[in-house]
Amino acid sequence: GQNIDQPTEMTATEGAIVQINCTYQTSGFNGLFWYQQHAGEAPTFLSYNVLDGLEEKGRFSSFLSRSKGYSYLLLKELQMKDSASYLCVPMDSNYQLIWGAGTKLIIKP
Amino acid sequence: GAVVSQHPSRVICKSGTSVKIECRSLDFQATTMFWYRQFPKQSLMLMATSNEGSKATYEQGVEKDKFLINHASLTLSTLTVTSAHPEDSSFYICSAREGGSDTGELFFGEGSRLTVL
Repeated sequence: GQNIDQPTEMTATEGAIVQINCTYQTSGFNGLFWYQQHAGEAPTFLSYNVLDGLEEKGRFSSFLSRSKGYSYLLLKELQMKDSASYLCVPMDSNYQLIWGAGTKLIIKP
Repeated sequence: GAVVSQHPSRVICKSGTSVKIECRSLDFQATTMFWYRQFPKQSLMLMATSNEGSKATYEQGVEKDKFLINHASLTLSTLTVTSAHPEDSSFYICSAREGGSDTGELFFGEGSRLTVL
């Protein structure tokens, strides 16, 4: 079956760095997205990785290892507004997005 | 980035009535739009894929006669929840990709929170 494994919840301090890990199992693979979702709002796009390696975009970076079925999202210089759920969303061979419940990140002052 | 607009953002209705939710791509054409439902603290669940000019493709377990989808133009898809009941109360979200690509960024509408009394 298709599966995503992320921590349910993480806590970090404002100004610090946090890494959210994700392992996945899919039927085929056509890339992996990371989305941010604030409570009561729709998801917003953060990154898309289809090749192995690190993609950096401002304070956020995303890493992919296809052979290990592993990705992480790295958030630097954390701000209070970064408190949200972070969704690791792989895409299978049929281009279907596989959604999990995500990781709820709590930022403390 | 591209903009997807969803309306209404919140709706409260009585049990047994029907509710229509609109999803518009404002600055691009979307041959395909996706409708999701999300219950509190749960993942997004794909309900159906809306295809312009043809019938929607529904996911297993989603009643097509209850959740009517119409994708009449390249910029508008509508979801009608017919004869709504309290268990239909949820957060409904639409999304679309630019052009006809299967990959690439998925743009989401703001979501519509439905409460059925």
